[in-house]
Amino acid sequence: DVKVTQSSRYLVKRTGEKVFLECVQDMDHENMFWYRQDPGLGLRLIYFSYDVKMKEKGDIPEGYSVSREKKERFSLILESASTNQTSMYLCASSLRGQLTDTQYFGPGTRLTVL
Amino acid sequence: QKEVEQDPGPLSVPEGAIVSLNCTYSNSAFQYFMWYRQYSRKGPELLMYTYSSGNKEDGRFTAQVDKSSKYISLFIRDSQPSDSATYLCAVLMEYGNKLVFGAGTILRVKS
Repeated sequence: DVKVTQSSRYLVKRTGEKVFLECVQDMDHENMFWYRQDPGLGLRLIYFSYDVKMKEKGDIPEGYSVSREKKERFSLILESASTNQTSMYLCASSLRGQLTDTQYFGPGTRLTVL
Repeated sequence: QKEVEQDPGPLSVPEGAIVSLNCTYSNSAFQYFMWYRQYSRKGPELLMYTYSSGNKEDGRFTAQVDKSSKYISLFIRDSQPSDSATYLCAVLMEYGNKLVFGAGTILRVKS
């Protein structure tokens, strides 16, 4: 069974803080993704990574950065959190380089920025 | 204009009803069509995946794609309370590098 875990289920931070969201997958998947999910907007891709140390911008990368130092771990960083980054953050992974491969999602981190 | 439009609902039906969930998309270049199911406080999970036009059936679930009208549907027969979830459609171009998701439809099946 594929397992994607995220470091926190709920997180409350203050405006201007640096925030780290961690994601770990245990199935040796090549691809990892970070999305945010907002009511009425669905899932929007922030960043994705096809391999260690490789990253590509998604649709809404502004205000975010990512790090993939090891294959199993993909981190999302909010350099200076703002209230408009309050959202549900979902990490996903998939086996190969094809986006038709099934994406397996973690349970999500609900981030509130005050 | 959003690339994928999906009515957010909620859609409330009695147990045993046939449910129809729908999405429309704007770009004819999309070739892969997926449905994800998301239970409350969980991440989405892939339900079904089709390529190009046509139908695909898996148990009580049928996915249908009409590329001429850019319309995709998910039908659930004999709906159960355990089907209560948010259903998200997602589309992908032939050589695309990202999935485009709809906003999701909340389904409630009442026992």
